[in-house]
Amino acid sequence: QKEVEQNSGPLSVPEGAIASLNCTYSDRVSQSFFWYRQYSGKSPELIMSIYSNGDKEDGRFTAQLNKASQYVSLLIRDSQPSDSATYLCAVTDTGRRALTFGSGTRLQVQP
Amino acid sequence: DGGITQSPKYLFRKEGQNVTLSCEQNLNHDAMYWYRQDPGQGLRLIYYSQIVNDFQKGDIAEGYSVSREKKESFPLTVTSAQKNPTAFYLCASSTLGQGGTEAFFGQGTRLTVV
Repeated sequence: QKEVEQNSGPLSVPEGAIASLNCTYSDRVSQSFFWYRQYSGKSPELIMSIYSNGDKEDGRFTAQLNKASQYVSLLIRDSQPSDSATYLCAVTDTGRRALTFGSGTRLQVQP
Repeated sequence: DGGITQSPKYLFRKEGQNVTLSCEQNLNHDAMYWYRQDPGQGLRLIYYSQIVNDFQKGDIAEGYSVSREKKESFPLTVTSAQKNPTAFYLCASSTLGQGGTEAFFGQGTRLTVV
């Protein structure tokens, strides 16, 4: 079964620091990669998508993709307490065109 | 107001009872999905549908059933055969692009067995 792996955390960073979240995936032919943010008791919210190797920046968020290493990451600059949440990495299963999710990394930003 | 609406927000099921979770979208998306989330876990795919009147099993379909009679609607029935149904159920939808596209979620239904 195709897998998406994340460190469960918690990852604790001080306010204003850079938070780095990592994800590896097993399906070599995957082409679409996503980061979702999920607050406790709420549904996931899409924050970044990336489709090609390299970096993609959107405000304080940067997604990085390395298909050769099957690795995708999310950097959050100037972390705020409101960024405290679980971050889910998702990869498109090209066989059935549905998302496969990692178990998520819990981020805690300390004021 | 475009989006995905799930109802109810909370649902309680007695042992041996079937219950149906509603999911409606007005985004004109072709694909719809049902995921289950257990505490501290990621999302696991139950069923998905890419076209009306067609759907496929995901990774944990046993004890669940779905229908897709309209593009906008994809209800999930949790049957009595599902032995451990207490979980957070999430419905999502997306367009169908080459290689996959972004999926958007409803607010979820929290099901509890009493």
